[in-house]
Amino acid sequence: QKEVEQNSGPLSVPEGAIASLNCTYSDRGSQSFFWYRQYSGKSPELIMSIYSNGDKEDGRFTAQLNKASQYVSLLIRDSQPSDSATYLCAVNGLYNNDMRFGAGTRLTVKP
Amino acid sequence: DAGVTQSPTHLIKTRGQQVTLRCSPKSGHDTVSWYQQALGQGPQFIFQYYEEEERQRGNFPDRFSGHQFPNYSSELNVNALLLGDSALYLCASSFQTPGVSREQFFGPGTRLTVL
Repeated sequence: QKEVEQNSGPLSVPEGAIASLNCTYSDRGSQSFFWYRQYSGKSPELIMSIYSNGDKEDGRFTAQLNKASQYVSLLIRDSQPSDSATYLCAVNGLYNNDMRFGAGTRLTVKP
Repeated sequence: DAGVTQSPTHLIKTRGQQVTLRCSPKSGHDTVSWYQQALGQGPQFIFQYYEEEERQRGNFPDRFSGHQFPNYSSELNVNALLLGDSALYLCASSFQTPGVSREQFFGPGTRLTVL
């Protein structure tokens, strides 16, 4: 049974700060890792995917993966009020047919 | 390039009724996964369809069933509705590549309320 846990929120950061979101998973066979952003009342939107150990950067977002520690994180640099949302960590196996989500971390960026 | 579409947007049913939700995948995608998201929770995997067959199923009762059509669109059927079935139902599409777990893209969801 794959379990995905995220750091409990809510998380509040001032505008311009770095927001750090963390996620751990229990299934060592997990192969792919995703971060989704979900605004209130909307569906999840994919913002990052990562498959290999290390860092992956895309604009203000950096995903970090450590398979040995079964840990994946998302850093948001220069946080903006528009980043205020719930961030969902998702983990999948090799064949993309049973993706498991964490409960999400609610982020608020204060102007 | 059309994204994932779902219908209807909202639905109100009473206990014991049956409901059908529909999903059209993103252009070029051939795989559809269905999720249930209760308020304040992450999405829970219901099942996935590829090549018109159910490939994997999550921990959901047989009241939940589905279908995939030759054009890759999909339906989710829920029979004998319970109050606890009230949730946001999400469809996600992806492209199947052997040995690679591809990104899944979500539709806007169907909000189901069971009274």
